[in-house]
Amino acid sequence: QVQLVESGGGLVKPGGSLRLSCAASGFTFSDYYMSWIRQAPGKGLEWVSYISSSGSTIYYADSVKGRFTISRDNAKNSLYLQMNSLRAEDTAVYYCARGARGGWSFDYWGQGTLVTVSS
Amino acid sequence: EIVLTQSPGTLSLSPGERATLSCRASQSVSSSYLAWYQQKPGQAPRLLIYGASSRATGIPDRFSGSGSGTDFTLTISRLEPEDFAVYYCQQYGSSEVYSFGQGTKLEIK
Repeated sequence: QVQLVESGGGLVKPGGSLRLSCAASGFTFSDYYMSWIRQAPGKGLEWVSYISSSGSTIYYADSVKGRFTISRDNAKNSLYLQMNSLRAEDTAVYYCARGARGGWSFDYWGQGTLVTVSS
Repeated sequence: EIVLTQSPGTLSLSPGERATLSCRASQSVSSSYLAWYQQKPGQAPRLLIYGASSRATGIPDRFSGSGSGTDFTLTISRLEPEDFAVYYCQQYGSSEVYSFGQGTKLEIK
């Protein structure tokens, strides 16, 4: 069965950095595009970043462009999000999500990892 | 960037009733790029509908999606107790950006 397990969240000071990881299993990871999506406490969903199956195409939301970097290692079935220059407004649960075949939606999601940016 | 506006913000209904949730886009959205998700407290979102009207794997047929252009609808024909949750629409736009609506909370009346 498809599993996505995020890790790497935690408490970090404003201006600090954090690297999130997402371990994928139960499917051929290299065949699927992936995204990070976040949800601030009590708020809605916000798409953060996209990476194609090969890693050659990458998109970011304007709110994180220049500060966050998405990457993947298909040999390790893993997705990453390097977050630099963190701000209080980056506080959220971060989900990794698999892109659905044949459409631009997300068919499997991890359980999320909480990132808290606070002094 | 396309903005999705969901209405109502909160919908209060009883089990067995029909629920109609709306998602309006600020610009025309290709039907292929419109999806709906359900999220329960403490859980990750679950894909319900993709391509505006196709049910995802394992989704009961009481859930249906419709619409085109700027107006899309998620309908739950007969509410079950487990359907009370928050629902989000989502689109993929030509500027290579995904966006979500702000959500509709479906609560028990």
